[in-house]
Amino acid sequence: NAGVTQTPKFQVLKTGQSMTLQCAQDMNHNSMYWYRQDPGMGLRLIYYSASEGTTDKGEVPNGYNVSRLNKREFSLRLESAAPSQTSVYFCASKTGDSQPQHFGDGTRLSIL
Amino acid sequence: EDQVTQSPEALRLQEGESSSLNCSYTVSGLRGLFWYRQDPGKGPEFLFTLYSAGEEKEKERLKATLTKKESFLHITAPKPEDSATYLCAVQPLTSGTYKYIFGTGTRLKVLA
Repeated sequence: NAGVTQTPKFQVLKTGQSMTLQCAQDMNHNSMYWYRQDPGMGLRLIYYSASEGTTDKGEVPNGYNVSRLNKREFSLRLESAAPSQTSVYFCASKTGDSQPQHFGDGTRLSIL
Repeated sequence: EDQVTQSPEALRLQEGESSSLNCSYTVSGLRGLFWYRQDPGKGPEFLFTLYSAGEEKEKERLKATLTKKESFLHITAPKPEDSATYLCAVQPLTSGTYKYIFGTGTRLKVLA
């Protein structure tokens, strides 16, 4: 019962460094999402992939890129990390239009 | 503008003291409303989906209800293990099916 798996769980970067956050789901879901969660704010959508082979910007896409590698995997890349990107990042997936999203346990990212 | 507001921000209850959490929403049509539980250091865990006014869902000590402008999460005779942050999310009808608007959550603490 793995569900949505995110790696790494924690990461500390220096300003300007790059890194890729990995996400994989084993529920055969079509849609996958990347959110960030900051204190006092609701989850905000960074990018999403409605189906394999497609990706689209969400509410806060600047400074990020994504790749839908296959149906299972959806990665988030920070090309040049900035302190404003310090956050907790969650990956989610869902199966159909009006269905709930299922979340991973997050990656806690600090950028110094 | 589509908006979701949760209240109260924080709530402390004695074990066995029933209460309700509120999720008010302003959207141009509702595709679905979702309740999640989030424990510290974990991702949101799906609880309930509600689709239309008058609908109710129940699970153990939790019961979710929906009107045209708000949803309530009723907690009956809570236990310390019910302590968590409860998130509400709304999927507007007129936006793409990717869009979910999250509230900032209610932090619930149940004291033994």
